[in-house]
Amino acid sequence: EVQLVESGGGLVQPGRSLRLSCAASGFTFDDYAMHWVRQAPGKGLEWVSGISWNSGSTGYADSVKGRFTISRDNAKNSLYLQMNSLRAEDTALYYCAKDRLDSGFDAFDIWGQGTMVTVSS
Amino acid sequence: QSVLTQPPSASGTPGQRVTISCSGSSSNIGSNYVYWYQQLPGTAPKLLIYRNNQRPSGVPDRFSGSKSGTSASLAISGLRSEDEADYYCAAWDDSLRVWVFGGGTKLTVL
Repeated sequence: EVQLVESGGGLVQPGRSLRLSCAASGFTFDDYAMHWVRQAPGKGLEWVSGISWNSGSTGYADSVKGRFTISRDNAKNSLYLQMNSLRAEDTALYYCAKDRLDSGFDAFDIWGQGTMVTVSS
Repeated sequence: QSVLTQPPSASGTPGQRVTISCSGSSSNIGSNYVYWYQQLPGTAPKLLIYRNNQRPSGVPDRFSGSKSGTSASLAISGLRSEDEADYYCAAWDDSLRVWVFGGGTKLTVL
């Protein structure tokens, strides 16, 4: 069964850091690009970041550029999101999503269930 | 304010055909594929349509997508109660160099 399982969310104070993880199974992880997409409570979807199959290409939303870093470990079938200098507006459910292709420029065809990040003092 | 514009709500009765629009610009919909996602209440989004009008395996042919210029549409025919969900359009934006989503349309089956 193709599956993505996120972890690492929680309550964190503004200005602090958090690292999200996404464990992939059921498909050849290093054949595909991967993404993080977030959804603030009661709001719509926002693409956060993406990474190509070999980590050669990464991209970020302007709202997180310079604060968040996406990475992957193909040997561990895992995707990560290092989040620094967190702000209240980063509060959201963070989804890990698989791309249909290796480059990161096609549909997000598999989604995890999400991990909640709450930034509050 | 989303880069892609969708109506916040839509509705229909069982068996009806409904359409949801998505308006963008030359840098996103006008030059790239459009994707549609369905988010049932309390669940993760699910890919519904890719590359303007392609359905992943398992998606009923009641769902169809189209694109013209800088706008796209999702059509749902033979509306069913289980289609009640939020629907999002998405596209790559060549100018912003990011994936952009519409604000979402909440579909109610009356």
